[in-house]
Amino acid sequence: GAVVSQHPSRVICKSGTSVKIECRSLDFQATTMFWYRQFPKQSLMLMATSNEGSKATYEQGVEKDKFLINHASLTLSTLTVTSAHPEDSSFYICSARESPETYNSPLHFGNGTRLTVT
Amino acid sequence: GQNIDQPTEMTATEGAIVQINCTYQTSGFNGLFWYQQHAGEAPTFLSYNVLDGLEEKGRFSSFLSRSKGYSYLLLKELQMKDSASYLCAVRGDYKLSFGAGTTVTVRA
Repeated sequence: GAVVSQHPSRVICKSGTSVKIECRSLDFQATTMFWYRQFPKQSLMLMATSNEGSKATYEQGVEKDKFLINHASLTLSTLTVTSAHPEDSSFYICSARESPETYNSPLHFGNGTRLTVT
Repeated sequence: GQNIDQPTEMTATEGAIVQINCTYQTSGFNGLFWYQQHAGEAPTFLSYNVLDGLEEKGRFSSFLSRSKGYSYLLLKELQMKDSASYLCAVRGDYKLSFGAGTTVTVRA
């Protein structure tokens, strides 16, 4: 089955630093990848849609300059949390559908990144 | 916008059956997904419904009624490993939105 690899799985950083999270589709191509954020016992909240070769589409309330997304190839998208603050501590999960997408294509999720900002 | 509701927690005994309900209100409808998520892990796909009716997949079944904006996930012959959070997700016009998840605890 389709595999999405996300790295790192855990990261602890100091306030004010930046953290990059990578998301790779290992055995399929993905023109679109999605970045979600999940707080404990809460729903997955879509942050942005990453489009290969073009700018990401951000959801309302998500700061573009703070959460930088780059989708440089059909198998790799990165999320950089810039100038991290403790309130950015969360579980970040990327996901992708195989290309070409069909209406019933399920999302394949990476294993998530637990970010802790101290 | 999209509004997806499901119960927060459910508890059941090993070998029993549990039904997790999900109600939704969305702008557009292009299918409903159920995912399983163990603590600290990524969600894994369980089922997809786009037409009314029941989809059966082994011990898991999912039902959809579009007119009622309602779905349920049925877990039969519960096993301890089924203890997890179950997420209802609806694909609207533009994106997939998730409910907050139902934590199912299976007791021996």
